Amino acid sequence: SAVISQKPSRDICQRGTSLTIQCQVDSQVTMMFWYRQQPGQSLTLIATANQGSEATYESGFVIDKFPISRPNLTFSTLTVSNMSPEDSSIYLCSVGRQNTGELFFGEGSRLTVL
Amino acid sequence: GQNIDQPTEMTATEGAIVQINCTYQTSGFNGLFWYQQHAGEAPTFLSYNVLDGLEEKGRFSSFLSRSKGYSYLLLKELQMKDSASYLCAVKQRGGSTLGRLYFGRGTQLTVWP
Repeated sequence: SAVISQKPSRDICQRGTSLTIQCQVDSQVTMMFWYRQQPGQSLTLIATANQGSEATYESGFVIDKFPISRPNLTFSTLTVSNMSPEDSSIYLCSVGRQNTGELFFGEGSRLTVL
Repeated sequence: GQNIDQPTEMTATEGAIVQINCTYQTSGFNGLFWYQQHAGEAPTFLSYNVLDGLEEKGRFSSFLSRSKGYSYLLLKELQMKDSASYLCAVKQRGGSTLGRLYFGRGTQLTVWP
């Protein structure tokens, strides 16, 4: 299994501001995934972060709103830009196991936008 | 696209058996996962089925029927600590094999003493 550290673990943000979430993995991985879990909802994939190339975004998510960096094989950041209360959510970083696709999740970053 | 359905809530008593169902419609099915998520925590892996049949792991078992687009998670000898949300997730064929999953809304299980 992989050990995944995220920070911040939680934050309260003002409308219109941006926040960057960091994700550190204890081993080198090709792909890292960013999920969102809104209150009472399940996990929705935002994008796949590839090292050395641009992230791949899912339908409904765009780079301007959720820019992603992937500078090396153990680290990624997700920025939530120009936040509104609708962005209040838990944001989870995850990596996959090669043979099955099983995901390992970070502890999540709980954002509240006022 | 994907369409994954599971009940929103279930309740059961300690020591009982509960079955959580999941139906899915997806193009290019390539495996089904069950995850457990306690309140305020990240999801943790429970089981993975890619072929039809039953996979047993201690008190938890998971069943898959690909022709019916159906899976269930069976929890035996329920304990209070099993109170959690149980997420059904489907992996699509094609693209990366490294974990791009689509999740259902989750079933909130409450175990009563």
